[in-house]
Formats: sequence, structure tokens, C-alpha cells
Amino acid sequence: DSGVTQTPKHLITATGQRVTLRCSPRSGDLSVYWYQQSLDQGLQFLIQYYNGEERAKGNILERFSAQQFPDLHSELNLSSLELGDSALYFCASSVGAGRLGNEQYFGPGTRLTVT
Amino acid sequence: AQKITQTQPGMFVQEKEAVTLDCTYDTSDPSYGLFWYKQPSSGEMIFLIYQGSYDQQNATEGRYSLNFQKARKSANLVISASQLGDSAMYFCAMRGVRGAGSYQLTFGKGTKLSVIP
Repeated sequence: DSGVTQTPKHLITATGQRVTLRCSPRSGDLSVYWYQQSLDQGLQFLIQYYNGEERAKGNILERFSAQQFPDLHSELNLSSLELGDSALYFCASSVGAGRLGNEQYFGPGTRLTVT
Repeated sequence: AQKITQTQPGMFVQEKEAVTLDCTYDTSDPSYGLFWYKQPSSGEMIFLIYQGSYDQQNATEGRYSLNFQKARKSANLVISASQLGDSAMYFCAMRGVRGAGSYQLTFGKGTKLSVIP
């Protein structure tokens, strides 16, 4: 158990809908990262927050947004869902932001299926 | 830009034998970190081992060791005394210290390891 929690574990929804994925980082970790894992794209970085502020953006679609709250939990919002958004979404956390050696610990993931 | 290449889509190893999973990388960052993660069929990503580019010694964690050859830009994972529970996907990843690559991990496509009893 990495100490990172994600809810829900599974999510099935229809095209055009909006969903919210939730992540709680390990105790003491200030950084939260979101990754998407799909069969065709592999593991891709979406976005990072550090202590409530956006720190880095990767291949995140405009239909997707995220935030980190004062209690450090984070939510990833996916809207106008398409079939291609079906994937495993991971949240990871680390103590710091950019220092090497700050390993990222991953949550169990949320498997999103868009039908 | 950073790039990770894992050329072995799948590997088989006999139980109790050692196995090496290959990883090569490309980066222009002077400092970087290399990571290996394990993903069992249940889906979670488990951190295994970390190697900093300026670390003098190769990293080891229990049965895992990282064979780091900086000049060849390779960071191979060695698993000794393989166990049935080692059957999983293994991902090599890296992070730099400058620009956008200093935050997120860049992953390879993974190697599926199957341990044969």
C-alpha cells in the first residue's frame, strides 16, 4: 500500500458526460501528479500540483481540469467524455516538487470506461 | 525532450533465476533520475528503485539492482532469484531537473515479465 488513495476504483459512464476523480496523497506529501494510462498512448503525464498551485502541465486536454485543495487532496475533472478517454487514471504524490530523489508514489488508479 | 526506450515487449525467466530488463534513455539534462516501477495485473504502480545520474554506485533494493551505465545511457533492472510474484509489467521512467521534464516522469512502453515455475 503506497499510502495514496484514489476513488472511485471503477467508473463507467456514457459519452458526453462529466466525471470527477479524487485523490488523497500520502501524509506529508505536497505534490500531486495525474497520469493517464491507455493501451495506445501508454503512461502519459497530465498535470502536477504543488501545495495547491499548478506546477506543470503535460498532455492534458482542454476538456480536462484539475485542482488541489487546501487539505492537499486533488480532483481531476473530465468533461464531454469520448470513447477514447477510457483509460486507467493514476494519481501520484511526492514530498517535494522538482528535486531529484523525490520518488513519486502511485495510487491504485481509477479505471474509467466510457460507453 | 526526454525519451525512454524499452526494447523487450516480453520476457520469460525460470523461477529462482536472475533476469535483466533493458532500458535506454535520452536526455539533454545534466542531472536526471531514473526509476523502475512494477505494475502487476491488479493495475497498481509500485515503485521499485531509483538511481540519480550523479550517484557513484549502482542502486540496490533487496532483490532489485539497477545496472547504470551513464556513457551508454542505459539503466537496466536486474531481478535476482525470480519469484512467481515477480510476473508483471515493468516500466522504466526518468525525470530531469530543467524545464517541464523536471516534474513529470517520462515512461517507457514497458516489459512484460513472466516467471515460469
